[in-house]
Amino acid sequence: NAGVTQTPKFQVLKTGQSMTLQCAQDMNHNSMYWYRQDPGMGLRLIYYSASEGTTDKGEVPNGYNVSRLNKREFSLRLESAAPSQTSVYFCASSERSGTSYNEQFFGPGTRLTVL
Amino acid sequence: GDSVTQMEGPVTLSEEAFLTINCTYTATGYPSLFWYVQYPGEGLQLLLKATKADDKGSNKGFEATYRKETTSFHLEKGSVQVSDSAVYFCALSGGGTASKLTFGTGTRLQVTL
Repeated sequence: NAGVTQTPKFQVLKTGQSMTLQCAQDMNHNSMYWYRQDPGMGLRLIYYSASEGTTDKGEVPNGYNVSRLNKREFSLRLESAAPSQTSVYFCASSERSGTSYNEQFFGPGTRLTVL
Repeated sequence: GDSVTQMEGPVTLSEEAFLTINCTYTATGYPSLFWYVQYPGEGLQLLLKATKADDKGSNKGFEATYRKETTSFHLEKGSVQVSDSAVYFCALSGGGTASKLTFGTGTRLQVTL
């Protein structure tokens, strides 16, 4: 199993450009997540998808959109990139659970720089 | 809302020293608690977890005990190695169908020979 894969690994954009970050998981997980990681801030949740066909905002959704394309894939789109979106982006997945225990599995990350 | 507070880093230790990284949390209900580790250039990996009060999670020589009375989940290791150098994140999950995680800011550990 590849686990959670993300593409691209690195990307440089100019302000105002758009791009889509791709994420896929092969663990048959129901829930998927997008985080951003900034120095001194830990990981902050951008959007999540509790199950195929649903998406919800997390802590920092402004400037982003997501698509849960199918059970395996969850993409993150920046419509008009801004320097404040320079960050490392992580995708994660987990089995849906009715209890609070629910390990998340993370991808290797995409390092995005917006000039 | 839920929150996690970790001790500031970086923490620099000599090999074989004892490690403690403090973590306290604020949450309603009965969250599950996690420690994740991030090695340089990689994503996060689950290190250990505890799902109820007084549970002790352990893995690779690391331990943490879920203390509801002090709302803490401190990470400990008796003898660190250079290979333990990484960033450690404390996190909680309050439950619900999506089981979202709330992370602390992370603590960088540097172990030297």
